[in-house]
Amino acid sequence: DAGVIQSPRHEVTEMGQEVTLRCKPISGHDYLFWYRQTMMRGLELLIYFNNNVPIDDSGMPEDRFSAKMPNASFSTLKIQPSEPRDSAVYFCASSITGTTNTGELFFGEGSRLTVL
Amino acid sequence: SQKIEQNSEALNIQEGKTATLTCNYTNYSPAYLQWYRQDPGRGPVFLLLIRENEKEKRKERLKVTFDTTLKQSLFHITASQPADSATYLCAPRALGSSNTGKLIFGQGTTLQVKP
Repeated sequence: DAGVIQSPRHEVTEMGQEVTLRCKPISGHDYLFWYRQTMMRGLELLIYFNNNVPIDDSGMPEDRFSAKMPNASFSTLKIQPSEPRDSAVYFCASSITGTTNTGELFFGEGSRLTVL
Repeated sequence: SQKIEQNSEALNIQEGKTATLTCNYTNYSPAYLQWYRQDPGRGPVFLLLIRENEKEKRKERLKVTFDTTLKQSLFHITASQPADSATYLCAPRALGSSNTGKLIFGQGTTLQVKP
């Protein structure tokens, strides 16, 4: 398996523009997570899905952020309008439910967003 | 609110020595705790899991302890090598209706092993 695939790897945009980050989880995984990482705040959980259904979006900073998972193999995180304080690395991760597994998260390589 | 504390200062040690990283948590009782490694420009990678009923877990040169009374986990790397240099993140997890679900990470401790 190729692992969790994120795109784009780097995005530079201007304040006010819409940004869409994409994620393809590992096939067969039923959980998908979106995290944001900054030097100041570390790795923050934004939202997670189980079987394509959003379970907890309490980490989404504000209404400018939205996430969707239309099917088991694709998710998007959208920021509209973007602001400079949204600059961060955004990680997608997936995991699989099971009574014997470790519940480990498999992370993508991240999307580095810079908002000017 | 739930809080996870890892030493924010970088840990610098000499090759061959044992590195010990600390993870403290407050205001919740995790059923288990995971440790991840993150290299610059990469996503975190899972290393080890230790459950609340386990005092210690080992994997090659790695050793993790879990003290639910102290609310602390220690992560040891013995015979450290420069290739061990990275940021290490802990993630205590409470059990919900499944063994997955919400996973909150500490800020991470950066380890630098000098040759």
